[in-house]
Amino acid sequence: EVQLVESGGALVKPGGSLRLSCAASGLTFRDAWMTWVRQAPGKGLEYIGRIKSKADGETTDYTAPVTGRFTISRDDSKSTVYLQMNSLKTEDSAVYYCTKDIPYTGGGALDYWGQGTLVTVSS
Amino acid sequence: EIVMTQSPATLSVSPGERATLSCRASQSVRTNLVWYQQKPGQLPRLLIYGASTRATGIPARFSGSGSGTEFTLTISSLQSEDFAVYYCQQYNNWPYSFGQGTKLEIK
Repeated sequence: EVQLVESGGALVKPGGSLRLSCAASGLTFRDAWMTWVRQAPGKGLEYIGRIKSKADGETTDYTAPVTGRFTISRDDSKSTVYLQMNSLKTEDSAVYYCTKDIPYTGGGALDYWGQGTLVTVSS
Repeated sequence: EIVMTQSPATLSVSPGERATLSCRASQSVRTNLVWYQQKPGQLPRLLIYGASTRATGIPARFSGSGSGTEFTLTISSLQSEDFAVYYCQQYNNWPYSFGQGTKLEIK
């Protein structure tokens, strides 16, 4: 069974940094495209970005609100994907989900979700 | 960026009745469209991908249709566990984008 376990969420001040981790099991991690999605309290879902498999170039894509501030990386030897968040803003406060897609949907159809980790940006 | 618009924002339906939820894309996404269900305090659950393919374990009462810019999620006979928020999302063009959600509530 696929399991995704996020960690690293915390309370941080505006302008601060945080790194989230997502440990995966039950899948061939090196082949997986991994995606981060967030959800502010009481709000809808928002894509943050994705990282492709090494075979597909290990390239990353981000959405406009986080481009230049957030970085996604992966360590296939640890079956772990990371989300480095810098220059955090209050509007980045949300539950952050690590997700895996159905193969060949380009990170689009997300069939497995981690339990989420809460990031609160506040002074 | 493709904007996904769902309607209505809230839909009130009685158990046993049919529910029809709509999703419109600001430009064609072909059939690269998914539907998720999210209950309070729970994770989103993938229902439909490719506009009409049910994900593993999803009951047959859930069906998706449409292509291009107009999509529909139909729940044929509502069960108590179906009352939730439903999101559509396109994965045709990056950045992928979600609709704002439709809350399906008990009438």
